[in-house]
Amino acid sequence: AQSVTQLGSHVSVSEGALVLLRCNYSSSVPPYLFWYVQYPNQGLQLLLKYTTGATLVKGINGFEAEFKKSETSFHLTKPSAHMSDAAEYFCAVSDTGGFKTIFGAGTRLFVKA
Amino acid sequence: GAVVSQHPSRVICKSGTSVKIECRSLDFQATTMFWYRQFPKQSLMLMATSNEGSKATYEQGVEKDKFLINHASLTLSTLTVTSAHPEDSSFYICSATTDREAHGYTFGSGTRLTVV
Repeated sequence: AQSVTQLGSHVSVSEGALVLLRCNYSSSVPPYLFWYVQYPNQGLQLLLKYTTGATLVKGINGFEAEFKKSETSFHLTKPSAHMSDAAEYFCAVSDTGGFKTIFGAGTRLFVKA
Repeated sequence: GAVVSQHPSRVICKSGTSVKIECRSLDFQATTMFWYRQFPKQSLMLMATSNEGSKATYEQGVEKDKFLINHASLTLSTLTVTSAHPEDSSFYICSATTDREAHGYTFGSGTRLTVV
């Protein structure tokens, strides 16, 4: 079985500060890992994904995440937060068969001016 | 890029009536579509997986007679909430993929259902 834990339901940063959203996963098989962003009353947009290969993954809008197998983590970072980054972020995991994606509970990012 | 259109974006219906939500892949053929439900301030819960031309696979605890899913073509899946009740009020989101191995999932923009 697979599961995802996002540490912190709310994260608040100042504009220009580092963004760090934490995600830990559990999987009995090599996982595929994802970060999605959701704006109010909208669907999800894929920020980045890790399948195989390079463990540091770069996504859209300046976000990146690093797959650390030893720590079972896939934390999302961005060097400098913008006001437009304020949204809900979901970490997700699926198995290599790709049949089902399990989502974390989400982290709401607030960006202060 | 791949686009998934979900319609309607918002719907209000009376208790006891049925509501149909459409999910269309606009520029690709979706072999598999997924339906999720999201409660306020919570994550997405997978309701069912539908493959074109076959019966949907429902997750445990999801009533298949209440949430009817049809995936009649490679570009369209529908979710019908039958005999809706206020507790069915939620945000419903579909996603579609044509390339499961590469995990090319694209999400619709969601449907806010309110049952009064």
